[in-house]
Amino acid sequence: EAQVTQNPRYLITVTGKKLTVTCSQNMNHEYMSWYRQDPGLGLRQIYYSMNVEVTDKGDVPEGYKVSRKEKRNFPLILESPSPNQTSLYFCASSLAIGGRTYNEQFFGPGTRLTVL
Amino acid sequence: DAKTTQPNSMESNEEEPVHLPCNHSTISGTDYIHWYRQLPSQGPEYVIHGLTSNVNNRMASLAIAEDRKSSTLILHRATLRDAAVYYCIPLGVSGYALNFGKGTSLLVTP
Repeated sequence: EAQVTQNPRYLITVTGKKLTVTCSQNMNHEYMSWYRQDPGLGLRQIYYSMNVEVTDKGDVPEGYKVSRKEKRNFPLILESPSPNQTSLYFCASSLAIGGRTYNEQFFGPGTRLTVL
Repeated sequence: DAKTTQPNSMESNEEEPVHLPCNHSTISGTDYIHWYRQLPSQGPEYVIHGLTSNVNNRMASLAIAEDRKSSTLILHRATLRDAAVYYCIPLGVSGYALNFGKGTSLLVTP
């Protein structure tokens, strides 16, 4: 089944303790991205990647890192989490963005992170 | 990015058609109009997109005004499973960051 998976789905952690949220897709998609969703602010893009070893900042990248060493994986790294990073996180992927054809984006189920 | 205006919420009876409006008066000539929806406790999912002509797929229809300043997502027979937040998103064909805005929360009652 074509899908985007995220792990963990729920995480409670403490300020400053490094964590990684994994994202994996099995559709051979070039484009992957991370969003966070907060009440009243909607979904905002954190980082995106156009292909392996190509990443760039979205609208709210502060406090986050990403890497894209393999096409299928796009982990989100919080080196020193703070309470303001408590949020619902979504990973998304699609075939290459650009050109004449629009490629729909597929989203994962979400990771609910609480930083105490 | 083009700004969009959608009703905060709408209500429909099950098996009735639903028309979800979106105003995007500042849309550029090359932006497509995309619709995504987010069911409760799930990630967003693609619904449909179009440029100028009306579009149909298995999930919905998209009616685009001739001046492209507004569009309407049509669910022909709402089911309980269609209860979700619906987002109208203008985006260029080469664009990538989806600007979700606040969307319309659709309630479907039996």
